[in-house]
Amino acid sequence: ETGVTQSPTHLIKTRGQQVTLRCSSQSGHNTVSWYQQALGQGPQFIFQYYREEENGRGNFPPRFSGLQFPNYSSELNVNALELDDSALYLCASSSGGNSGNTIYFGEGSWLTVV
Amino acid sequence: GESVGLHLPTLSVQEGDNSIINCAYSNSASDYFIWYKQESGKGPQFIIDIRSNMDKRQGQRVTVLLNKTVKHLSLQIAATQPGDSAVYFCAEKEDSSYKLIFGSGTRLLVRP
Repeated sequence: ETGVTQSPTHLIKTRGQQVTLRCSSQSGHNTVSWYQQALGQGPQFIFQYYREEENGRGNFPPRFSGLQFPNYSSELNVNALELDDSALYLCASSSGGNSGNTIYFGEGSWLTVV
Repeated sequence: GESVGLHLPTLSVQEGDNSIINCAYSNSASDYFIWYKQESGKGPQFIIDIRSNMDKRQGQRVTVLLNKTVKHLSLQIAATQPGDSAVYFCAEKEDSSYKLIFGSGTRLLVRP
């Protein structure tokens, strides 16, 4: 039990639709990162939020966007869904921005785009 | 570059034996390394971490070894149990960076 909770756990969307995924970070953690994990692969970094600002982004297009709220919870939004967006979306929380503090993952949200 | 694995290598061990899972990392500037365990349908679970100023760290039944000269990381699991069956990922990170870079993963199968 990491204390990182994500919702929904599973969802199915149609190509072209938009989706919002939610994450509550572990108590005391002010940094939230989002990762995409395709089947059979390791997680790929999407972006990180620290103190409500995006402070790092991976190789994902602008239709992937996010928010962090004052309570450090976060949302991942994906617009104009494509079939290749089908994946497990993972939220990770830690404290202190980039510093080498332990990073804990939630159980993820499984997104299927049809 | 970033490591991505399409075909997971598999390690099969007998219950009770020791397991050694290896990882070759890509960035000589990485300061921090983590091993994660991922069971089917679940998120990665933190196992153990190590910083670059160390070469060995022990936890409960697990040991991580770091060889910076050859950029190699290993996870040793003592007395492997059926519940250890999962995919194991190593991940690396620079302190100046915001992201974890994951290795390709190894599937551990424990035979009863």
